[in-house]
Amino acid sequence: KAGVTQTPRYLIKTRGQQVTLSCSPISGHRSVSWYQQTPGQGLQFLFEYFSETQRNKGNFPGRFSGRQFSNSRSEMNVSTLELGDSALYLCASSFAGSQETQYFGPGTRLLVL
Amino acid sequence: GQQLNQSPQSMFIQEGEDVSMNCTSSSIFNTWLWYKQDPGEGPVLLIALYKAGELTSNGRLTAQFGITRKDSFLNISASIPSDVGIYFCAGQLNAVSGGGADGLTFGKGTHLIIQP
Repeated sequence: KAGVTQTPRYLIKTRGQQVTLSCSPISGHRSVSWYQQTPGQGLQFLFEYFSETQRNKGNFPGRFSGRQFSNSRSEMNVSTLELGDSALYLCASSFAGSQETQYFGPGTRLLVL
Repeated sequence: GQQLNQSPQSMFIQEGEDVSMNCTSSSIFNTWLWYKQDPGEGPVLLIALYKAGELTSNGRLTAQFGITRKDSFLNISASIPSDVGIYFCAGQLNAVSGGGADGLTFGKGTHLIIQP
């Protein structure tokens, strides 16, 4: 089975711009979660989608949003980028979510200048 | 919010030595997971623990889910150069049956450096 894929792998944006990141889960997985990883804060949960619905949300501002499509692929969007949004954004998928192990993609490294 | 205290922060060991790291939490978790992350990559799942007291092995790796559900440890025996990386513990407090997957709460990681 192919693993979780994320595109693009690297991205450079400037402050005030917006960005959209994409995640394709493992085939058959219906739950997709997003995490932000920074040196200072470590890995932090952003949100989780299941069957095109957001089921859980972490403690991030409304500039961070996401969606999931009928084929379980997910996108996350960050609007009005700030320097502090520079991070590795990781996507993880699991079969159904509840007590299912999450498998991570390689991440998208975002640099905001 | 929930926090995981992972220790040690870093370890410098000789090849062939055994390694031990642990995580503690002020909150109960229903699932404990251990991941390894190499530079530029996402975390890779090493071991998943679902029951309090559970002891699980994966090759040279052994992990245990603490009885109190507030801690877990990971041991690596006879370390080899490819064990170098950052090891993360993660706890998950699952919703009730039929509910959603709560996000994972991660420790800050243990940097493992192996001297040949």
